[in-house]
Amino acid sequence: GENVEQHPSTLSVQEGDSAVIKCTYSDSASNYFPWYKQELGKGPQLIIDIRSNVGEKKDQRIAVTLNKTAKHFSLHITETQPEDSAVYFCAASRPGGSYIPTFGRGTSLIVHP
Amino acid sequence: EAGVAQSPRYKIIEKRQSVAFWCNPISGHATLYWYQQILGQGPKLLIQFQNNGVVDDSQLPKDRFSAERLKGVDSTLKIQPAKLEDSAVYLCASSFSGAKETQYFGPGTRLLVL
Repeated sequence: GENVEQHPSTLSVQEGDSAVIKCTYSDSASNYFPWYKQELGKGPQLIIDIRSNVGEKKDQRIAVTLNKTAKHFSLHITETQPEDSAVYFCAASRPGGSYIPTFGRGTSLIVHP
Repeated sequence: EAGVAQSPRYKIIEKRQSVAFWCNPISGHATLYWYQQILGQGPKLLIQFQNNGVVDDSQLPKDRFSAERLKGVDSTLKIQPAKLEDSAVYLCASSFSGAKETQYFGPGTRLLVL
């Protein structure tokens, strides 16, 4: 089955700095890669996703890049703010009629004011 | 629109006891998922329903876990009997159709087995 590795497990940055979280996946057939943000006591919330037919996607301060050859994808957050502090999860999913993602172990991002 | 509702939010039980969790998905969402999230890990899918039918339950420990979605709306997840290693957050999520659709997660039920 699919295996998703996520690094780092903890990331501490100063407000205004950029943050980068990296994930690798094992199943070359995976073609959909969402990123989730989980705040304390809440369920994960989708913040951005990318499909295998594109290499990069941006949404304001958030961007995701995908390298299919190397089987890795990354989340980039620019101009970080204290409210970005949360646990971020990457996931990978195979094509098919049903969407069943495999999640990474998560990255705890701490943004210091 | 109202989000995914789950209850209870917290549950403490002793090992070998039974426990049940309830989920009410977003109105109109055909697909419902139950995940187990152990502390420090990402969510792991337990079971996926499409309407009232099971799509995938390959990672559900069927000797002790069961789930149902009888009318294709609400769902319950049961553990009987519970083990210490079942301590986790149980997340319910729903999506409109399941095929690459955004999943919306509920707040989860935090279970502690003593």
